[in-house]
Amino acid sequence: EDQVTQSPEALRLQEGESSSLNCSYTVSGLRGLFWYRQDPGKGPEFLFTLYSAGEEKEKERLKATLTKKESFLHITAPKPEDSATYLCAVHMTGTASKLTFGTGTRLQVTL
Amino acid sequence: DGGITQSPKYLFRKEGQNVTLSCEQNLNHDAMYWYRQDPGQGLRLIYYSQIVNDFQKGDIAEGYSVSREKKESFPLTVTSAQKNPTAFYLCASSSGAREQYFGPGTRLTVT
Repeated sequence: EDQVTQSPEALRLQEGESSSLNCSYTVSGLRGLFWYRQDPGKGPEFLFTLYSAGEEKEKERLKATLTKKESFLHITAPKPEDSATYLCAVHMTGTASKLTFGTGTRLQVTL
Repeated sequence: DGGITQSPKYLFRKEGQNVTLSCEQNLNHDAMYWYRQDPGQGLRLIYYSQIVNDFQKGDIAEGYSVSREKKESFPLTVTSAQKNPTAFYLCASSSGAREQYFGPGTRLTVT
């Protein structure tokens, strides 16, 4: 069965304490992997798309990487405003434009 | 500004009533989607449409209906047959199988 699993479920960091979020997937064919940020009570905000193993994308303090089985979202020197839920989604071959989402990682960054 | 609008932000209904959630986009995207988000769960796909006058069921379509008469609009009706309709509903759009962009969401409460 195709699955997307994110870990940890929740993560609490101090400001400046770098860490990584994980998104592992077991799908028959990956066409793309997407990262989103979601603030409470709001719609997800698109961050990155990764298409092939070895690909990396960066935006400010965030860097997303992709291997054949998982993706990491690295957060360098986080600030309190980085606190949010980070969602991972995959687009599989043979599924038109449908995405399968993980349950997310709730990140809290404290002073 | 290009984007996706959903209205209303909050919606309250009595059990047994049908209710329609609005979704409009001015991104000129062909594909549109409806998701449901419950606490502790990932986004679950209700319906999607890749082109005007055509739509497909997602993973949890029972108790919901949609129409796609215009490229810009994809309204979702939550019918009285939906057993547990209270949730946060998100609309999204995309250009083919590329990244999806989300609206701000509608929180529906049925009592």
